[in-house]
Amino acid sequence: GENVEQHPSTLSVQEGDSAVIKCTYSDSASNYFPWYKQELGKGPQLIIDIRSNVGEKKDQRIAVTLNKTAKHFSLHITETQPEDSAVYFCAEDSGGGADGLTFGKGTHLIIQP
Amino acid sequence: DTEVTQTPKHLVMGMTNKKSLKCEQHMGHRAMYWYKQKAKKPPELMFVYSYEKLSINESVPSRFSPECPNSSLLNLHLHALQPEDSALYLCASSPEGVTQYFGPGTRLTVL
Repeated sequence: GENVEQHPSTLSVQEGDSAVIKCTYSDSASNYFPWYKQELGKGPQLIIDIRSNVGEKKDQRIAVTLNKTAKHFSLHITETQPEDSAVYFCAEDSGGGADGLTFGKGTHLIIQP
Repeated sequence: DTEVTQTPKHLVMGMTNKKSLKCEQHMGHRAMYWYKQKAKKPPELMFVYSYEKLSINESVPSRFSPECPNSSLLNLHLHALQPEDSALYLCASSPEGVTQYFGPGTRLTVL
């Protein structure tokens, strides 16, 4: 991968509302797009991923959408809860795993009670 | 089971010390990785092992030396580190070389 831009850097939402985080990539060869959640003092936890042959994937309150033409993908969290507060990283892999993952800069999600 | 374990959790070392970080996975994953993460930054790839062979070395200084003794174990040997090397060192493994699962990391402080 070459470059991944992630926005916003900080996102504050009321508990119960939805949160959306967006990433844009530049390498048209990118074909795998994971999202990680990192809590303070812990390693990144894979929460959902999507491959380039799929446009959307959902797992309970979490969904990821991919627009290959526009080269962007988004994380959607519905009915947010206090335990969703964390730093979220998007990433992409264009090397079939041989090059590791290229990460976005991260989004600090704050859930306001 | 997607558990990657790392030891120690915390490590403090002087610039003249030699120490090693250890990573284990017993999931039969074929690829293992070392990443470095500075505070408030994303992880940055250091090394990739695929089928126990080093396939990627991201121009990491020679004071960091990786070793993969077998398919379940990954070490990172540290020697003559600098204070700016203080960071969270993350290990990850992958079953097929794409989906990566991270360990909890080792918090390294170099004095």
